[in-house]
Amino acid sequence: GEDVEQSLFLSVREGDSSVINCTYTDSSSTYLYWYKQEPGAGLQLLTYIFSNMDMKQDQRLTVLLNKKDKHLSLRIADTQTGDSAIYFCAERTDSWGKLQFGAGTQVVVTP
Amino acid sequence: EAGVAQSPRYKIIEKRQSVAFWCNPISGHATLYWYQQILGQGPKLLIQFQNNGVVDDSQLPKDRFSAERLKGVDSTLKIQPAKLEDSAVYLCASRAGSTEAFFGQGTRLTVV
Repeated sequence: GEDVEQSLFLSVREGDSSVINCTYTDSSSTYLYWYKQEPGAGLQLLTYIFSNMDMKQDQRLTVLLNKKDKHLSLRIADTQTGDSAIYFCAERTDSWGKLQFGAGTQVVVTP
Repeated sequence: EAGVAQSPRYKIIEKRQSVAFWCNPISGHATLYWYQQILGQGPKLLIQFQNNGVVDDSQLPKDRFSAERLKGVDSTLKIQPAKLEDSAVYLCASRAGSTEAFFGQGTRLTVV
């Protein structure tokens, strides 16, 4: 199975906040990432957090990191229909930048 | 700044045929990755280059997959012969130094 685990599906109403959760296994991970993938497209980096941080905010995005529980979350404020996509959590597992991805969370935003 | 370019975007082949994918990374990015993304799964690293040297190919099925990065710039990934389970999106990514990796749009391979 995946070393990085995510819930598979999230439905949210437009204007509400979305919270996507992720658990990882490698306690030595230095960076943790959130990528967005729209249909037929590649991966778009949304944000990342260094492992010595607890929180990072970037406009509508808030990343929370609980290193003790190896838990990462992404909160999207004021979710819009354009936020509908698959969101991948990834941990950087070595100094060469190798990424270990979760299976992705499909977010569907309803009007 | 131009992004990571991949071609072709789509490819359909019969099993046992061969296929090649091409990637041109962002200019100046020394690190290049090939990931395989099977439908419904997250991307998995196949091979990683630092300039023209292989750093990690532990997950590359070397009996049928090969990759090269001549001159440390663009790269090709080849599958010969293809199997049905090779149907996936093949993503190329590049990175400079300690910054984040940038991904191309991928090549969607269907093996029938």
